[in-house]
Amino acid sequence: GAVVSQHPSWVICKSGTSVKIECRSLDFQATTMFWYRQFPKQSLMLMATSNEGSKATYEQGVEKDKFLINHASLTLSTLTVTSAHPEDSSFYICSARDVVRTYGYTFGSGTRLTVV
Amino acid sequence: ILNVEQSPQSLHVQEGDSTNFTCSFPSSNFYALHWYRWETAKSPEALFVMTLNGDEKKKGQISATLNTKEGYSYLYIKGSQPEDSATYLCAFRNNFNKFYFGSGTKLNVKP
Repeated sequence: GAVVSQHPSWVICKSGTSVKIECRSLDFQATTMFWYRQFPKQSLMLMATSNEGSKATYEQGVEKDKFLINHASLTLSTLTVTSAHPEDSSFYICSARDVVRTYGYTFGSGTRLTVV
Repeated sequence: ILNVEQSPQSLHVQEGDSTNFTCSFPSSNFYALHWYRWETAKSPEALFVMTLNGDEKKKGQISATLNTKEGYSYLYIKGSQPEDSATYLCAFRNNFNKFYFGSGTKLNVKP
């Protein structure tokens, strides 16, 4: 079945530094990638939608200059948290659409980001 | 803000018990209802995608029903096993292809 590989699975960084999270679709082409974050005891919340070769669409309240999304190929999308602050500490997870299976959305395993 | 509610928040059952959870969602702009099973440190695993009112789907001992008119879906597990322990997520997908997740039901099945 469709697999999305997400790295790193966890990362600790210092306040003010940037962190890059990668999501790769291993056996299908992901024209669309969704990025979510989940704060403790809350639901997964959509941050942005990226389409290969075009700019990402950000949800209301998500700063596009802080959360840089790049989807340069059909198998790779990256989320860079720039100038991270402790309030950015969260669980980030991506989801990609398998265009062959109309309803198929596959998740990565998530990244736990802690900013100290 | 679109609300997708799941209940209960957590559930502790004994091996062999049958159990069910609820997902409620808006009845407007409905496109699909997704159920996922999410074990710690793993990717959420797709269980069902349901699109039609009255849909019933089954996978092994797990089944789900859908009522789009009143905005709810039930997930049933018959004869729970310890390996069924996980968080069960539902997600409402609207006509604009956006997903809205519930906060999940955490199931713990004791041997």
